Amino acid sequence: DTEVTQTPKHLVMGMTNKKSLKCEQHMGHRAMYWYKQKAKKPPELMFVYSYEKLSINESVPSRFSPECPNSSLLNLHLHALQPEDSALYLCASSKPRGSEQFFGPGTRLTVL
Amino acid sequence: GQNIDQPTEMTATEGAIVQINCTYQTSGFNGLFWYQQHAGEAPTFLSYNVLDGLEEKGRFSSFLSRSKGYSYLLLKELQMKDSASYLCAVRGHNNNDMRFGAGTRLTVKP
Repeated sequence: DTEVTQTPKHLVMGMTNKKSLKCEQHMGHRAMYWYKQKAKKPPELMFVYSYEKLSINESVPSRFSPECPNSSLLNLHLHALQPEDSALYLCASSKPRGSEQFFGPGTRLTVL
Repeated sequence: GQNIDQPTEMTATEGAIVQINCTYQTSGFNGLFWYQQHAGEAPTFLSYNVLDGLEEKGRFSSFLSRSKGYSYLLLKELQMKDSASYLCAVRGHNNNDMRFGAGTRLTVKP
């Protein structure tokens, strides 16, 4: 299994909703990442987990809350988002000192 | 901090060769990556350089000069399906800290 899966593919939510994005990989990778990508822009790093511990938090607002329940799963909990948070949210994984990151297909989030 | 620059757009003809340049200024360097991203899809890994020189992989080659803070991606025998954005990314001292350039949108014309 050489892929990263993400659910849901699309999500529309209101500003008062609480939702979660999920990411899963079974490649034995111990580093997992969340990126945010706006249209025609590069991916922006949000969070990195290494060995299930948060190792990088790029000053992301607290309305985004990451969670790494085990080495295969990565969640991103969303609460009280703003319309400007609408974007493609990409999950990736890699070996901790690996040469490449494997990206999931992303969740396209729209905040109304 | 990190600054990664690449041209915004390029156009080339099917069957030709195109070179996409990337220059970077970073506080730490632990590898340079090239990714391809088609519209609406996730990035896919193309190449990785950590030492100076050329890495060749089929129709794609990537070059790195650490002293000049410079890399290029060379695409040969261009095909229509190569129309995509090409992202240059640099990994810092923290092995998990990856930063992307703004991407170069390549259009391949018949």
